Amino acid sequence: QKEVEQDPGPLSVPEGAIVSLNCTYSNSAFQYFMWYRQYSRKGPELLMYTYSSGNKEDGRFTAQVDKSSKYISLFIRDSQPSDSATYLCAMSPDFGNEKLTFGTGTRLTIIP
Amino acid sequence: DTGVSQDPRHKITKRGQNVTFRCDPISEHNRLYWYRQTLGQGPEFLTYFQNEAQLEKSRLLSDRFSAERPKGSFSTLEIQRTEQGDSAMYLCASSHGQGSHGYTFGSGTRLTVV
Repeated sequence: QKEVEQDPGPLSVPEGAIVSLNCTYSNSAFQYFMWYRQYSRKGPELLMYTYSSGNKEDGRFTAQVDKSSKYISLFIRDSQPSDSATYLCAMSPDFGNEKLTFGTGTRLTIIP
Repeated sequence: DTGVSQDPRHKITKRGQNVTFRCDPISEHNRLYWYRQTLGQGPEFLTYFQNEAQLEKSRLLSDRFSAERPKGSFSTLEIQRTEQGDSAMYLCASSHGQGSHGYTFGSGTRLTVV
């Protein structure tokens, strides 16, 4: 079993819809949680990071962490065609730990 | 400096050949990371440097792999005696100081071993 599980999709939604992306994990030591966006033939780009449980909002993006359920989510409101990409969750045990453990990524397409 | 630069963008090599990739991090970043990403998978950690010191290596980094960062600037990743299983995207990232969330990734080098 992988430490981080993520549904690879693909996921297609109409423009303007709310998108929900999720990851589950098994390592209870994970404390820092990140979401990256990766366009085709590009490197991952950091979207959001959160520490421990709770919510964090940045524009149209909201990240949620539920450590009791070992479950994290990324919500995208008012989705745009430019949001079409692969979304990767990533996590690490502590602030000084440089090794990130990634999910497989969910491929998202926003249909105009 | 516009970001992390990787060279080449694509490399096709025959099985058994050696290949070397280069990464130029953001100039003020003292930490440099290498990850490998295969099709349909997330990136997997290989190794990281603080300045010129290599501080951690993954078990994925077999004896055929070697990474260097002379003078704490650019880094090279060499794969000797390439195998078909080495085909992947090799991603470099850099950060300023401590904290994984500060990564900036390059666009990667795509290696195909035939």
